[in-house]
Amino acid sequence: GENVEQHPSTLSVQEGDSAVIKCTYSDSASNYFPWYKQELGKRPQLIIDIRSNVGEKKDQRIAVTLNKTAKHFSLHITETQPEDSAVYFCAASQQNYGGSQGNLIFGKGTKLSVKP
Amino acid sequence: NAGVTQTPKFQVLKTGQSMTLQCAQDMNHNSMYWYRQDPGMGLRLIYYSASEGTTDKGEVPNGYNVSRLNKREFSLRLESAAPSQTSVYFCASRGLNRGYNEQFFGPGTRLTVL
Repeated sequence: GENVEQHPSTLSVQEGDSAVIKCTYSDSASNYFPWYKQELGKRPQLIIDIRSNVGEKKDQRIAVTLNKTAKHFSLHITETQPEDSAVYFCAASQQNYGGSQGNLIFGKGTKLSVKP
Repeated sequence: NAGVTQTPKFQVLKTGQSMTLQCAQDMNHNSMYWYRQDPGMGLRLIYYSASEGTTDKGEVPNGYNVSRLNKREFSLRLESAAPSQTSVYFCASRGLNRGYNEQFFGPGTRLTVL
C-alpha cells in the first residue's frame, strides 16, 4: 500500500521568508497530491492540490511541485506571514478510485511557525 | 450548503460508557471517512465507507463500529470507551467538486475518556 513521508516535522521561519515542506510517496500509481492546512483547534482545510499530469501549480503565495520520477512533491510558501502558522499535511491517493485505492494517505504533518 | 457537520463538538465520557458520534454531509458525496487525530500522530483512518451500504476498516478500527445510515450520514460508535480513545475525531467526505474528487473535513469532535 501507499506510504507518505513528510519532512520536516517542525519548521520555524521569519516573516517574509520562504518555507518549503517536502513529501515522498511509495506507490507509483498515486496520481493526486493535496495539501491541507490545519490551524490550531480547527479542521484540516484543502489549500492546494496537484495531479500527476502537471509538474507545478501556483496559487498566489503557495505553490506545489511534483517529481513523478523521484516520487516526491513539495509545498512552497513565499513571503510568509504570521497567519501562515499552522500544521500542514500532505497526502496521496489514486484520484479516480472509490475503494481503498482512492483513500487519501496522509503524511504526519509539519508544524510551521512564522515569527513576526 | 453546510458541507460536513459533526455532533457533538465536545464530549467527556467515563471508562466503559458508550456513545455515538454523528456526521452528515450535504454535498452528495459517495465516500465518507472517520479519522482520529492525536498529538504527533497525524490523521489516522478508523473506518471508511466508499459508498452507501458499504463500510471497511481503516488503520485503527479496534474499539469502534460504524454505520452508513444513508448517503448523507455516517456515524461512529464507541461501545465501551477507554482512556486510549481520548482524541479529536474528524469525519470527512469525498466526492466530485470542480470536476474531480476532493475531500472535505468536518469541524471535529473532541472526546475525553476519564
